[in-house]
Amino acid sequence: EPEVTQTPSHQVTQMGQEVILRCVPISNHLYFYWYRQILGQKVEFLVSFYNNEISEKSEIFDDQFSVERPDGSNFTLKIRSTKLEDSAMYFCASTADGPNTEAFFGQGTRLTVV
Amino acid sequence: DQQVKQNSPSLSVQEGRISILNCDYTNSMFDYFLWYKKYPAEGPTFLISISSIKDKNEDGRFTVFLNKSAKHLSLHIVPSQPGDSAVYFCAANSHPYSGSARQLTFGSGTQLTVLP
Repeated sequence: EPEVTQTPSHQVTQMGQEVILRCVPISNHLYFYWYRQILGQKVEFLVSFYNNEISEKSEIFDDQFSVERPDGSNFTLKIRSTKLEDSAMYFCASTADGPNTEAFFGQGTRLTVV
Repeated sequence: DQQVKQNSPSLSVQEGRISILNCDYTNSMFDYFLWYKKYPAEGPTFLISISSIKDKNEDGRFTVFLNKSAKHLSLHIVPSQPGDSAVYFCAANSHPYSGSARQLTFGSGTQLTVLP
């Protein structure tokens, strides 16, 4: 069964460092997303990406964040200068075309900023 | 701004009985609702969905009911099994403008424990 894969599963970084979280969405999907879940809190939308550009972003997704689809398969989230409060589980998701399709999520990357 | 609310953080049910998980929403623009199941250290797994044009959708042991006038949906699991123990998230989908990707707004989750 096709799945969304994320690497690494756990990333520890020092405050102020740049991190890149990687995702391989399901191959025939067209819409790509990043969500995050801070420990004990809700899963929150960060950004959606379609047709090689950002479709929507939340207020969490400030100038420190960027996304890229550098080739036909990878979808990355970059945090330029990490802060302690960026520590969270980051989930990549993708959906097929169509108005009512479910999002498939990856296993997540646990980012710990120290 | 809690647009999707799950007011019960936890629920315990005996194996074989019915589990009912509830979800309320406030945004009238939501037109598609989904339930996800999540185990610790894993991503959410899609369970079942319902469009706002329906009031019920069934898939095996899982049934989702939607009451649009009350802005309320519920997930019924019958019969409940110990393997159903997980956090269940209600999520709502809106289509802000034509051609845009859809973002999910999640509730805070309900931890379901099915006791053997």
